[in-house]
Amino acid sequence: RKEVEQDPGPFNVPEGATVAFNCTYSNSASQSFFWYRQDCRKEPKLLMSVYSSGNEDGRFTAQLNRASQYISLLIRDSKLSDSATYLCVVRAISGNTPIVFGKGTRLSVIA
Amino acid sequence: GAGVSQTPSNKVTEKGKYVELRCDPISGHTALYWYRQSLGQGPEFLIYFQGTGAADDSGLPNDRFFAVRPEGSVSTLKIQRTERGDSAVYLCASSSRAGITDTQYFGPGTRLTVL
Repeated sequence: RKEVEQDPGPFNVPEGATVAFNCTYSNSASQSFFWYRQDCRKEPKLLMSVYSSGNEDGRFTAQLNRASQYISLLIRDSKLSDSATYLCVVRAISGNTPIVFGKGTRLSVIA
Repeated sequence: GAGVSQTPSNKVTEKGKYVELRCDPISGHTALYWYRQSLGQGPEFLIYFQGTGAADDSGLPNDRFFAVRPEGSVSTLKIQRTERGDSAVYLCASSSRAGITDTQYFGPGTRLTVL
């Protein structure tokens, strides 16, 4: 099993739609979780950290399920500008690698 | 303020040559990270520094790769005897500390092409 797995997509959704991505991780010692956004040929930028209690930032909601070892990202009312690749990041103190990025999920929001 | 900068933005070299990639972190950031990203993949962790010392270099693929940060600011990633498989975008990131909850800020990357 890969350390961090994401559905690569692409997810093609119309403007205004709600879309959700999941990311599973294998290291049960993982302690911090993030979603980054990466535009084509650009560097990743932090979208949001993911907390145990779940957290929301405007149209974006992140959830963590430690029992099932996955995190999720929900985007409501999708905008054209949300089109990007969304990278899941998992950090752990113990395990093979301290920081693991998923391959990313590509989202295209269509007018 | 200034973000993370990386030079060069593009580097084309021949198989077997030596290359150096430079990263200037955000001023005052004590932690610095190197990643490489191949097409269609997420960034792959290589090494990170806390101050001048390499805190974890477990991601360096082999002994052809080496990184330094002698004064705790600028870092250089060095690749000896480059191979075609080393072609990728090399990303640098910095954070104010090396805690696992700290936000990393990425530079624009250096696109390395080995012919």
